[in-house]
Amino acid sequence: QKEVEQDPGPLSVPEGAIVSLNCTYSNSAFQYFMWYRQYSRKGPELLMYTYSSGNKEDGRFTAQVDKSSKYISLFIRDSQPSDSATYLCAMSDSGGSNYKLTFGKGTLLTVNP
Amino acid sequence: GAVVSQHPSRVICKSGTSVKIECRSLDFQATTMFWYRQFPKQSLMLMATSNEGSKATYEQGVEKDKFLINHASLTLSTLTVTSAHPEDSSFYICSATNRAGNTIYFGEGSWLTVV
Repeated sequence: QKEVEQDPGPLSVPEGAIVSLNCTYSNSAFQYFMWYRQYSRKGPELLMYTYSSGNKEDGRFTAQVDKSSKYISLFIRDSQPSDSATYLCAMSDSGGSNYKLTFGKGTLLTVNP
Repeated sequence: GAVVSQHPSRVICKSGTSVKIECRSLDFQATTMFWYRQFPKQSLMLMATSNEGSKATYEQGVEKDKFLINHASLTLSTLTVTSAHPEDSSFYICSATNRAGNTIYFGEGSWLTVV
């Protein structure tokens, strides 16, 4: 079993839809959870950063972490064509300057106008 | 603007030659830099962790003699792919953390094609 599982999609939605992206993981030591957006042939861009369980909201984006189920989600409200990208979940078991990230495979999202 | 710069963004080299990729933190001191490799439609796979002034720590399965990493200053880390082969063709991405370790910045990535 891989440490982080993420459905690669592709996921195609109409503009304005609510998008739900998910990852599951097996390592119970993970405490820091992140969502990155990666446009084609570009480096990842941090969207959300969450520590431990709970919800975090930032504009149209909401991140949820359920450590008991080892399940994290990213919701995008009022999706826009500019949201079309690959979304990667990432997690780490430690903070500080030396923490390593374990990434999911990424979900390719297309928002159609 | 970008706070971590990678150069070159694209490079094509002949099989058997060596290629160097630079990763620079532009406006902060990066005590730690990470090098990742990403094959098409695959996730980012950590290759090595680079700490300024010390030897890099390589992940299992990554050949340290093939992927030479140098972190000579707090703003620069380099990855040299030695004796490159077509199977080394990939997207290489670096990331850097600041001293506080509360933020990771990714570079724009470097596409390597070995022909």
